[in-house]
Amino acid sequence: EVQLLESGGGLVQPGRSLTLSCTTSGFTFGDFAMTWVRQAPGKGLEWIGFIRSNSYAGTSEYATSVRGRFTFSRDDSKSIAYLRINSLKIEDTAVYYCIRGRSSLFHWGQGTLVIVSS
Amino acid sequence: EILLTQSPGTLSLSPGDRATLSCRASQTVPTNYLAWYQQKPGQAPRLLIFYASSRATGIPDRFSGSGSGTDFTLTISRLEPEDFAVYYCQQYGSLSFTFGPGTKVDI
Repeated sequence: EVQLLESGGGLVQPGRSLTLSCTTSGFTFGDFAMTWVRQAPGKGLEWIGFIRSNSYAGTSEYATSVRGRFTFSRDDSKSIAYLRINSLKIEDTAVYYCIRGRSSLFHWGQGTLVIVSS
Repeated sequence: EILLTQSPGTLSLSPGDRATLSCRASQTVPTNYLAWYQQKPGQAPRLLIFYASSRATGIPDRFSGSGSGTDFTLTISRLEPEDFAVYYCQQYGSLSFTFGPGTKVDI
């Protein structure tokens, strides 16, 4: 069974940094790109971007709104994907989801809530 | 970046009704790479339709997708109580992949 579990969310002050983890099981992690999507409270879904598999150089694509502050990485030996967010802003408050693949997103994690507040 | 608009914003219907949801793109979605997702409160989204009209694994056949180019439609032939939720379209044919703002289907 494919499973994805996000962690690392919580209450963070503006300007600080945070790294979210997406721990996976049930599939060959190294074969898949990993996508991140966020959802602010009461709002719609926002595509953040994805990191390709290392078969495709492990490169990343980012939404314009987060480019430069957000960084994806992956550890295929541990089957974990990471999202690092620098210079956190109030408007980064959201549930952050990781998803297997880069298109037609079938397998989602349950999300982790990040609250940016002083 | 392709912008997606969804209409209506809210659709008020009853169980057994037919629901027709629209998703319009600001430019042609390459290869009709358009997906639909359903989201219920407190849950992660669930993939319903990909490639504009292909049902995802386990999705009942009352859900169907159609359209091409810039105009896409999700149809729910007969609403079941569990279908009342928010529905999002997403294009994945052109970076940045984008979601529409959603249509809420409520009673």
